[in-house]
Amino acid sequence: NAGVMQNPRHLVRRRGQEARLRCSPMKGHSHVYWYRQLPEEGLKFMVYLQKENIIDESGMPKERFSAEFPKEGPSILRIQQVVRGDSAAYFCASSPGGQGAWVTEAFFGQGTRLTVV
Amino acid sequence: EDQVTQSPEALRLQEGESSSLNCSYTVSGLRGLFWYRQDPGKGPEFLFTLYSAGEEKEKERLKATLTKKESFLHITAPKPEDSATYLCAVQARAAGNKLTFGGGTRVLVKP
Repeated sequence: NAGVMQNPRHLVRRRGQEARLRCSPMKGHSHVYWYRQLPEEGLKFMVYLQKENIIDESGMPKERFSAEFPKEGPSILRIQQVVRGDSAAYFCASSPGGQGAWVTEAFFGQGTRLTVV
Repeated sequence: EDQVTQSPEALRLQEGESSSLNCSYTVSGLRGLFWYRQDPGKGPEFLFTLYSAGEEKEKERLKATLTKKESFLHITAPKPEDSATYLCAVQARAAGNKLTFGGGTRVLVKP
């Protein structure tokens, strides 16, 4: 769990600003997943990425949200023009695996708690 | 659509009082069922993955079992440090690597 690094841990943004959430996967992991946990709700899948590729973005809102996982550096979840409803905990998970490999274990980071004021 | 329902929503136990948590699922072709523990303000901590009906896995006071429709997480002689929210998630064959989570069971173990 401690191996997946997310920053910042807490982020406060005013309505209309941009939020950038970063995730560095565990060493040796090439798959990254983003999940959102709204207050009093369960974890909801947002997007699944491998290096330089978005594999599944079926859980991403169509507007204002984007994600990337560049060849070098962390994965970034970007939320443009934030609204109060975006306030939530955003978790990143990573797993090992080569092309086409499926997840047997996924390890989560500590999350970024976004508050929109 | 894949669905996961956990019950009860909350469970209060006395230290040493064993109990079971339920995870019922509907999925079009189960690839794996995952159990996680989540402490307040923290990320989910991986516990187990189960792949086929009849499979069991154990870790300290926790034992997870799987049938074709549900999974149970048994907590034997719990201690206060077992207090947490326990999350169940399924991975469907048609859904790639994404996990579908249930709402969780909040467990409080009192000394």
